[in-house]
Amino acid sequence: EDQVTQSPEALRLQEGESSSLNCSYTVSGLRGLFWYRQDPGKGPEFLFTLYSAGEEKEKERLKATLTKKESFLHITAPKPEDSATYLCAVQAYGGSQGNLIFGKGTKLSVKP
Amino acid sequence: ETGVTQTPRHLVMGMTNKKSLKCEQHLGHNAMYWYKQSAKKPLELMFVYSLEERVENNSVPSRFSPECPNSSHLFLHLHTLQPEDSALYLCASSQTTGNEKLFFGSGTQLSVL
Repeated sequence: EDQVTQSPEALRLQEGESSSLNCSYTVSGLRGLFWYRQDPGKGPEFLFTLYSAGEEKEKERLKATLTKKESFLHITAPKPEDSATYLCAVQAYGGSQGNLIFGKGTKLSVKP
Repeated sequence: ETGVTQTPRHLVMGMTNKKSLKCEQHLGHNAMYWYKQSAKKPLELMFVYSLEERVENNSVPSRFSPECPNSSHLFLHLHTLQPEDSALYLCASSQTTGNEKLFFGSGTQLSVL
């Protein structure tokens, strides 16, 4: 069964304290791995898509990496405005149309 | 106009009521989706429409009835819901169903009493 597990569930950082969020996945054939950011009271906002092991994507203080079993979202020198829930999702080859399998998310809090 | 707009933002209904959720996208996309987000659970796909045709129904109870009159509008008709149906209902769109870069609305927070 295709599955996505995110850890930790919650993470508290001080402003400027770099860290990483983990997304472990089990899928029959990975078509793509997606990272989204969700602010309270809003829908998820697309951040990155990764397609193959070794691929990396960057956006401001965020960097996403991918291996054959997991993805990391590295946050460098975070600011309070980076506080949000970060969601990871995978799409499998042969999966149902439009069916992304989401993890439960990591809630990040960055204190000034 | 924001990309994907959902109304209402909040809805409280009794188990015998009938209500509808509305979604509109201004992005020119061909695929639209309904997702359910419950506390402590992953986002759960409910329905997928591609060019106004339903292409996926993820074993959703018949008390949820989707409607897609055109590629810009999507509805979710609700009737005789249960308290466990209380959740955030999110609408999303993408260019096609093969491109899962989804654009989400802000959701409707539904409470069933």
